[in-house]
Amino acid sequence: DAKTTQPNSMESNEEEPVHLPCNHSTISGTDYIHWYRQLPSQGPEYVIHGLTSNVNNRMASLAIAEDRKSSTLILHRATLRDAAVYYCILRAVMNRDDKIIFGKGTRLHILP
Amino acid sequence: NAGVTQTPKFHILKIGQSMTLQCTQDMNHNYMYWYRQDPGMGLKLIYYSVGAGITDKGEVPNGYNVSRSTTEDFPLRLELAAPSQTSVYFCASSYSNSYNSPLHFGNGTRLTVT
Repeated sequence: DAKTTQPNSMESNEEEPVHLPCNHSTISGTDYIHWYRQLPSQGPEYVIHGLTSNVNNRMASLAIAEDRKSSTLILHRATLRDAAVYYCILRAVMNRDDKIIFGKGTRLHILP
Repeated sequence: NAGVTQTPKFHILKIGQSMTLQCTQDMNHNYMYWYRQDPGMGLKLIYYSVGAGITDKGEVPNGYNVSRSTTEDFPLRLELAAPSQTSVYFCASSYSNSYNSPLHFGNGTRLTVT
């Protein structure tokens, strides 16, 4: 079973910020939080990852709760091209058993 | 680099037939994965490999087989195809299992079993 839970779907207006939540209450100390997104008819693509501190890159920001039991992917200014399914997954560091499990993700709808 | 290449893009298979889905990557990645995605659902891990000669079962391995004779290739074999195996299949690779080694996905193979 997936170790993360996310809302099934969310809506946001174009050019507004979007906050996508993820719960991972059973996270272990060696788990990194990764986010991927899947555009229509494509394979998933990497977005961002983090361990404890908040992270920023050109695509998004990742805010991680102090107890690490939840995190939020932040799209600062959503565009229509950001409409996709967003997956939050946990990945253990340097664990030979690299069984990466995806949940159902959050389908993000962007309203023009 | 071409990245992760999957062939074929589409295929229709009759019940009971067998086929191999091909996956190759040119990034010298050690880790490779096969996922399936049913309509409107998330990805389910079928098999994965941490290096040539090593494979492990994922969440839904029944009805599938894999091999990893080279670093580049990770074919997925369907024996005795069933309608329940109608799905989109994604192959992915990763340089290592380190936290800063993201998965790279192919564009998928859409398989219909009738």
